[in-house]
Amino acid sequence: QVQLVESGGGVVQPGGSLRLSCVASGLTFSDFAFHWVRQAPGKGLEWVAIISPDGSNLFYGDFVKGRFIISRDNSKNTMYLQMSDVTSEDTGVYYCTSYKHIRSRRLDYWGQGALVTVSS
Amino acid sequence: DIQMTQSPSSLSASVGDRVTITCRASPGIAYFLAWFQQRPGEVPKLLIFAASTLQSGVPSRFSGSGSGTNFTLTISSLQPEDIATYYCQNYNSPPFTFGPGTRVD
Repeated sequence: QVQLVESGGGVVQPGGSLRLSCVASGLTFSDFAFHWVRQAPGKGLEWVAIISPDGSNLFYGDFVKGRFIISRDNSKNTMYLQMSDVTSEDTGVYYCTSYKHIRSRRLDYWGQGALVTVSS
Repeated sequence: DIQMTQSPSSLSASVGDRVTITCRASPGIAYFLAWFQQRPGEVPKLLIFAASTLQSGVPSRFSGSGSGTNFTLTISSLQPEDIATYYCQNYNSPPFTFGPGTRVD
């Protein structure tokens, strides 16, 4: 049973910083790329970032503009999103997600999400 | 960057109706397209990947087609549990953009 569990969400002031974590279990962590996807209240899904299995390749959504850093620690089965200089537009649920194609199948996993609220 | 659009943005349908949602990618993404269903208050659920491959456990009333720039998600006979918002997503190359969503109610 694969589980992705996010933590670190909460209330943060505009301009502040926050670090989200995603702990994975039930899979070989170092075999999977991981993503962050977010969803503002009442809005659609927005892809945030991806990190490759070995952590050497990183890509971000255009809106990140250098404010977020995705990282991972394969020894701890954990992925991170360091958020800084946050604004109210960063408010939302942040999902940790991963997938892998194996032959004709796709293994697809999502966490339950961590709520980030940017407010003074 | 690849831009994803969906139409319609919302639709109303009755149980048993055939429902079709369109997704367009610009530029083209070959067959690297996924469809997700998100019921209110729930985590997104993968329905279809590779444009037309049904994810294991997903009812066969769901189907996908298309390649390149134009894609379609079809629900052959709408059921009450299909009330949700549907998103397409490019996974050809980053950024792995989602479409804006289609609300079905």
